[in-house]
Amino acid sequence: AAGVIQSPRHLIKEKRETATLKCYPIPRHDTVYWYQQGPGQDPQFLISFYEKMQSDKGSIPDRFSAQQFSDYHSELNMSSLELGDSALYFCASNRGASSYEQYFGPGTRLTVT
Amino acid sequence: DQQVKQNSPSLSVQEGRISILNCDYTNSMFDYFLWYKKYPAEGPTFLISISSIKDKNEDGRFTVFLNKSAKHLSLHIVPSQPGDSAVYFCAATSGYALNFGKGTSLLVTP
Repeated sequence: AAGVIQSPRHLIKEKRETATLKCYPIPRHDTVYWYQQGPGQDPQFLISFYEKMQSDKGSIPDRFSAQQFSDYHSELNMSSLELGDSALYFCASNRGASSYEQYFGPGTRLTVT
Repeated sequence: DQQVKQNSPSLSVQEGRISILNCDYTNSMFDYFLWYKKYPAEGPTFLISISSIKDKNEDGRFTVFLNKSAKHLSLHIVPSQPGDSAVYFCAATSGYALNFGKGTSLLVTP
């Protein structure tokens, strides 16, 4: 079965640079979620989109923005990167109107040096 | 503040025995609870869930119990297998965002 696809899988950036992470949800899923997992931490919810509209917002820094496109893929844009942004970034998807279960991608490991 | 708590960072169980993973929550607005399994360098994999209107849900070797009055849920794995060794996250939601516990690392020994 098709799963959530995230790209790139690994990304190394320097402080103050920008990064763009991409997420391709499972086919026919209309809702996308972004989570950040720091070392030894639990995943923290950042933001979600349902049918291309922001549906919920968590602890996402103002330096980050995200959107969902007409083909339902989503991009997380991160600017003025800081060392503390180094983390695993997960994307998850589901059919938001009919399901609570979220299906996660493999994650993007971002390292800021 | 941590609204979902898994107070046991690790658990070791012998193959064939029962594994019991516990989870507590503080937010009474949560109405749906999920368990995820995670291997290193992979995303969390959905295991089993339960709605707040139920007190038990079973799927093969996995059973989740919910005690709403105690704000407590548990995951039972019977019988435990070496392939079950992973980090297990409890999560709760009242809508979109999942609120995760810090995880319990389960080791199933032969």
